[in-house]
Amino acid sequence: QKEVEQDPGPLSVPEGAIVSLNCTYSNSAFQYFMWYRQYSRKGPELLMYTYSSGNKEDGRFTAQVDKSSKYISLFIRDSQPSDSATYLCAMSEPGGYNKLIFGAGTRLAVHP
Amino acid sequence: EAQVTQNPRYLITVTGKKLTVTCSQNMNHEYMSWYRQDPGLGLRQIYYSMNVEVTDKGDVPEGYKVSRKEKRNFPLILESPSPNQTSLYFCASTLAGSGDTQYFGPGTRLTVL
Repeated sequence: QKEVEQDPGPLSVPEGAIVSLNCTYSNSAFQYFMWYRQYSRKGPELLMYTYSSGNKEDGRFTAQVDKSSKYISLFIRDSQPSDSATYLCAMSEPGGYNKLIFGAGTRLAVHP
Repeated sequence: EAQVTQNPRYLITVTGKKLTVTCSQNMNHEYMSWYRQDPGLGLRQIYYSMNVEVTDKGDVPEGYKVSRKEKRNFPLILESPSPNQTSLYFCASTLAGSGDTQYFGPGTRLTVL
């Protein structure tokens, strides 16, 4: 069993839809949770960063962490075609900024 | 502009021919890492470095070497490449104590024949 599980998709939604992306994990020591966006032929870019449990909102993006269920989510409101990319979750233990464990990534396509 | 650069961006080589992929960052970050990305497996860490002359193995270090002689550079060395090292490689850098500052390079697509 992988430490971090993520449905690879692909996920196809119409423009304006609310998108929900999820990851589950098995290591209860993880405290830092991140979402990266990766466009085709580009490196990942950090989208959201959260510590421990709770929600964090940034514009159209909301990250949620439920440590009791070992489950994290990224919600995208009013999705746009420019959101079409692969979304990777990542997590680390305290002090492990340099040692991230990634999910396999979910490919998202938002069609006009 | 804050950035991580990698060279080359694309490389086709043959089994056993030593190669080096360079990585450089201009942000004075302490931490640097190398990852490989394969379909269905996501990003897996190869090696990381906490500072100059301080390196350690990640999850998939076999067949790779690294060095950190200067803070800004972190080259990845494949001394005897094999076809199973065909992959997309990313270098990343992070400011120590600040997990929300990780920057990735643009990637190096390596094919080993």
